[in-house]
Amino acid sequence: EDQVTQSPEALRLQEGESSSLNCSYTVSGLRGLFWYRQDPGKGPEFLFTLYSAGEEKEKERLKATLTKKESFLHITAPKPEDSATYLCAVQAAGGSYIPTFGRGTSLIVHP
Amino acid sequence: AAGVIQSPRHLIKEKRETATLKCYPIPRHDTVYWYQQGPGQDPQFLISFYEKMQSDKGSIPDRFSAQQFSDYHSELNMSSLELGDSALYFCASSFQREGLVEQFFGPGTRLTVL
Repeated sequence: EDQVTQSPEALRLQEGESSSLNCSYTVSGLRGLFWYRQDPGKGPEFLFTLYSAGEEKEKERLKATLTKKESFLHITAPKPEDSATYLCAVQAAGGSYIPTFGRGTSLIVHP
Repeated sequence: AAGVIQSPRHLIKEKRETATLKCYPIPRHDTVYWYQQGPGQDPQFLISFYEKMQSDKGSIPDRFSAQQFSDYHSELNMSSLELGDSALYFCASSFQREGLVEQFFGPGTRLTVL
């Protein structure tokens, strides 16, 4: 069974304090790993797709990386507007097309 | 760019009533998904449709049904509502490129059952 574990569950940072969120996964062959940002009461917003180990994607202050067992979402010099829940999802190479979601990391950035 | 549209955005129902949620996917997307998200929970997959045919089924209660119409919009029908059905309901759509599912989510419908 595909499993996705995100850590930490919650993270508080000061503005400008860089950090990383972790997404560990167990899947029988990875087709894709996805990162989403979700603001309270809103739908998840697509950020990145990673396909293979060693791949990196960047968007503004966010950089996502991928290994064979985990993905990191690095946040450089965060701002209060980066506060949100960050969700990771994995899609297996075989079987169902439906991605498996992690529980998310709730990030709060204090000014 | 066009996004996924959901209606209504908020819905209040009494127990045992019925509710219908609507979803309009991004144009040219071929797959629609329905998710339920409780407070502090990750989105739970309910059901999906590929080219108007049901393709995958998740933890959808028997009281719920869904369909996708010829114009690709989808409706989630919920009957005999229970208090525990109160949640955010998201629709997502994707275009399956080489089997890869990049889902784009709508703003959600907040259902409150009293």
